[in-house]
Amino acid sequence: GAVVSQHPSRVICKSGTSVKIECRSLDFQATTMFWYRQFPKKSLMLMATSNEGSKATYEQGVEKDKFLINHASLTLSTLTVTSAHPEDSSFYICSAKDPQRGQETQYFGPGTRLLVL
Amino acid sequence: GESVGLHLPTLSVQEGDNSIINCAYSNSASDYFIWYKQESGKGPQFIIDIRSNMDKRQGQRVTVLLNKTVKHLSLQIAATQPGDSAVYFCAENIRQAGTALIFGKGTTLSVSS
Repeated sequence: GAVVSQHPSRVICKSGTSVKIECRSLDFQATTMFWYRQFPKKSLMLMATSNEGSKATYEQGVEKDKFLINHASLTLSTLTVTSAHPEDSSFYICSAKDPQRGQETQYFGPGTRLLVL
Repeated sequence: GESVGLHLPTLSVQEGDNSIINCAYSNSASDYFIWYKQESGKGPQFIIDIRSNMDKRQGQRVTVLLNKTVKHLSLQIAATQPGDSAVYFCAENIRQAGTALIFGKGTTLSVSS
């Protein structure tokens, strides 16, 4: 149980375009999802907390107009990288907490590799 | 062989050896800790967790030790196998806060046969 999926698994786009990444909880409802970013050989850096039905909470230094987060349902959160630039190339990972399993463990998606040319 | 003490970015062991991966956490208010394994190009995979009211917890071939006095966490892997090769991260949280996990620096474990 507690499976989180992401789509797409990898995407290549041209500079200036926007890219949408989906995060789904497959077998549970997640009121809260989290978006992380990971550079090569580095740790996961929290970008934002996505709350179902309300605005996302962004970490300091993360541009909310650049990284649009929408959590329209209890099983889906989306991250849209707007006007992508090469420096946005990274590994984006989402996670979700299953309320029925307590507020402790986060279940992670498989990640999305973004390459901006 | 095994390595103890300060955090090391990499750890190389022989198959069958025991491995010890260390982590220092930052928030003295954290009361929940998790070790994750991340293979190349994949998301983190849960290994084992521990609450702050414990100082040791054992799983299958893995043991987590928690020293709250010095804010130190360690992961011990018994009889390390080539399939254990990955990057290992510790993460901390305050359970009732409902906030995200904060990850520490990873350790790349390389197991040679």
